[in-house]
Formats: sequence, structure tokens, C-alpha cells
Amino acid sequence: DAGVTQSPTHLIKTRGQQVTLRCSPKSGHDTVSWYQQALGQGPQFIFQYYEEEERQRGNFPDRFSGHQFPNYSSELNVNALLLGDLALYLCASTHWEGNYGYTFGSGTRLTVV
Amino acid sequence: KQEVTQIPAALSVPEGENLVLNCSFTDSAIYNLQWFRQDPGKGLTSLLLIQSSQREQTSGRLNASLDKSSGRSTLYIAASQPGDSATYLCAVNSGYSTLTFGKGTMLLVSP
Repeated sequence: DAGVTQSPTHLIKTRGQQVTLRCSPKSGHDTVSWYQQALGQGPQFIFQYYEEEERQRGNFPDRFSGHQFPNYSSELNVNALLLGDLALYLCASTHWEGNYGYTFGSGTRLTVV
Repeated sequence: KQEVTQIPAALSVPEGENLVLNCSFTDSAIYNLQWFRQDPGKGLTSLLLIQSSQREQTSGRLNASLDKSSGRSTLYIAASQPGDSATYLCAVNSGYSTLTFGKGTMLLVSP
């Protein structure tokens, strides 16, 4: 049973560029959330998708956007990259109904130069 | 706004010791609490999930307790091993299926 799969594992971008990160949820899960983790910090909630709609959003600017596809997979897009966007981006999946807890992927390490 | 604090920030112990990691949260109206382990540069591995109606959960050498009224949870690790070295994160689900994390406790178990 595959867990949460994220791609790519590492990415290097230039300031001002745009980036797309991808996530496939654990089999049977229908809800995907994205988190940003800066070095030495706990993950910060970016947004959550269910039924192809953004359901919840954290305190992140509109440069951060996302999408969920009919197969429940999801993308995170970041426009106009800043040096401060350097972080580990984590995808997590769960069931929308019921408190089943979250399963996290291995993350995408984004470097901005 | 929910805030989660983890104490201590770092802990170094010799192999074989029993240890306790602490997590406190400001809003007791939670759905559940989840403990994770994170190895350097890696993703999060779920260790234990405690629902708001539960007092504790156990998995192998790990035991997590929850006192919702006082806003506290502890993770107890018995007979620590070098392989337990990692950062341990506490995350609270206060509703709407979003998690609020602490900054973690970095654990080093020396042989």
C-alpha cells in the first residue's frame, strides 16, 4: 500500500521564477494538505483541498496556489519565488470524514538562489 | 489561535534511558493530537494518534498521554536506542482538519 508520494525530491530555482510541486495521496485518502517547513521550525499549514476545492487556507500570500485533480492528487504552485520560500514542502493526506490522522510524504526540498 | 509548545527543544541521553517529551497547547478544544518523528531532511512519520476522548495510546516502546483540560500531552520513550535519534513533533488538530505543530524536540541517543 503506497503512502504519500511527492515529486520532485529536490528543486533549485532562481528568484522570480515559478515552481510546481506534485503529490499523490495515500490510497483511500481524499483530502490533501500542504505544509511549509523552514529549517529548525515546525511545519506551517498552507492550504487544504477536498473535492477539488480549496477548503482551508493558512496565512500565506496569493503567490501560493494549488489544485486537486479528480484522482485526488494535488499540485502546489508558487509564483514569483523569493529567497524566503526556501523550505521543505510537505504534502499530507487523510479522509475528509472522521479523525483518522494524517499521513505525510517525504517532502520536496526547494532551494531559491 | 492555537499555539503549540514543545519542551525541551533538544535532549541528549545515553542509550537505555527512559525519557519524556512534553507538548502543551493553548486551546483545549481539539479533535485529536498526533506525534510524529522526523529524520534530518526527511518527511514526517506518524508515531501515535490520540483522539480527544482518549487518555493515552501505546505502540511498542512509545506511550503518549493526553490531558485535554490542562492542554498537555507527553510522549514517553522506554529504553531509548541510538536509532531513536530524530526530531519529535507534536501536532494538534483543532478542527477543519488542519494541524498546528510545535517546533519539535531534537533527541540524540548516544551508544
